[in-house]
Amino acid sequence: AQSVSQHNHHVILSEAASLELGCNYSYGGTVNLFWYVQYPGQHLQLLLKYFSGDPLVKGIKGFEAEFIKSKFSFNLRKPSVQWSDTAEYFCAVNAQNNAGNMLTFGGGTRLMVKP
Amino acid sequence: NAGVTQTPKFRVLKTGQSMTLLCAQDMNHEYMYWYRQDPGMGLRLIHYSVGEGTTAKGEVPDGYNVSRLKKQNFLLGLESAAPSQTSVYFCASSYLTGQPHRWELFFGEGSRLTVL
Repeated sequence: AQSVSQHNHHVILSEAASLELGCNYSYGGTVNLFWYVQYPGQHLQLLLKYFSGDPLVKGIKGFEAEFIKSKFSFNLRKPSVQWSDTAEYFCAVNAQNNAGNMLTFGGGTRLMVKP
Repeated sequence: NAGVTQTPKFRVLKTGQSMTLLCAQDMNHEYMYWYRQDPGMGLRLIHYSVGEGTTAKGEVPDGYNVSRLKKQNFLLGLESAAPSQTSVYFCASSYLTGQPHRWELFFGEGSRLTVL
């Protein structure tokens, strides 16, 4: 079974700082990778996803993530964060051979951006 | 277009009581899922369904039952609630597609359950 690790549980940044959130997964086969964001009091929304091709994926709101297969990583980045980026971020993996098309989530990273 | 709708949004139960959470989706999705969200543990899959009339266990199924009598609805039941089931519950749905790069989960707004 696959698993996902997000090593940073809480991150505090000032506005305009750069962001990188780590995500590592364990699964030996082909995977699809996702980052979801949950703003306070809201449901999860898709930020970006990787299926194949260019390992650098661009998502909404200026976020991007890079898939490094050799490191089993899919780190999320943003060059300059804003106060409105305060949210919880979840990395998730979908093994391509799983019958239920399920996502396995990491434990999440709470980001607080100070104005 | 409502997407994925969960009811109720909030509920407080006493230990031993039963309740049902309803998830409804209007996107004609084949797959539906129930997750629970706990601090520091992310989302964990409780049960899922790959089509009407089918259900399967996820990572943390104990203490829960589900039913999918209609394609658009996925019910999560707690027969005898326990304090350990205090959590935020999210329903999600997804679709079969011949274009895997378009696949994703669509989430409801969550149901916050407290068991005293």
